[in-house]
Amino acid sequence: DQQVKQNSPSLSVQEGRISILNCDYTNSMFDYFLWYKKYPAEGPTFLISISSIKDKNEDGRFTVFLNKSAKHLSLHIVPSQPGDSAVYFCAANTGTASKLTFGTGTRLQVTL
Amino acid sequence: NAGVTQTPKFRILKIGQSMTLQCTQDMNHNYMYWYRQDPGMGLKLIYYSVGAGITDKGEVPNGYNVSRSTTEDFPLRLELAAPSQTSVYFCASSKQGLTNTEAFFGQGTRLTVV
Repeated sequence: DQQVKQNSPSLSVQEGRISILNCDYTNSMFDYFLWYKKYPAEGPTFLISISSIKDKNEDGRFTVFLNKSAKHLSLHIVPSQPGDSAVYFCAANTGTASKLTFGTGTRLQVTL
Repeated sequence: NAGVTQTPKFRILKIGQSMTLQCTQDMNHNYMYWYRQDPGMGLKLIYYSVGAGITDKGEVPNGYNVSRSTTEDFPLRLELAAPSQTSVYFCASSKQGLTNTEAFFGQGTRLTVV
């Protein structure tokens, strides 16, 4: 039972354009969402998060949008850069748990 | 600042062998976690710890054991390796629970059981 779903295994975007990575979840108890970025042969690194009391959080080129009614969140990267090429994981948590539920990841390739 | 350090980086085990994956963090984080990542899948939580002397099961604990005798170290033990345990293992730590802070991950241990 995949509670956090990333339905696009891969995405290719030209440098300078917007990258939009999507994530859907089924557990309505989730109230904290995070995005992690992972390069090959490295561990995931935290990118940005959002609490369920917000619908948008911005950090530089990265913005996460949360639509609670649709149980959907998205990560926007503007402008995309070649160094953004990595696997992006969406993760979710409930207020009482000390554990994240991860999606399967989306591999982003930013081309020149 | 080393962060979260995992050893070894790679290991090949024969079926039935045992081994310990080491994890240490130097950030004085209370919370530590072990995840495994199978090809094309997200990370699955194996065990976690909210402080020295306290451990709890995650989603996929069968075949593994952990201990947390110090704040810094959180080793993962495989007693009887099976091919289903072929995976990449990540250790992580966080200052608090994951509702309000992110986790810091080690570089991973790639384990193959043959």
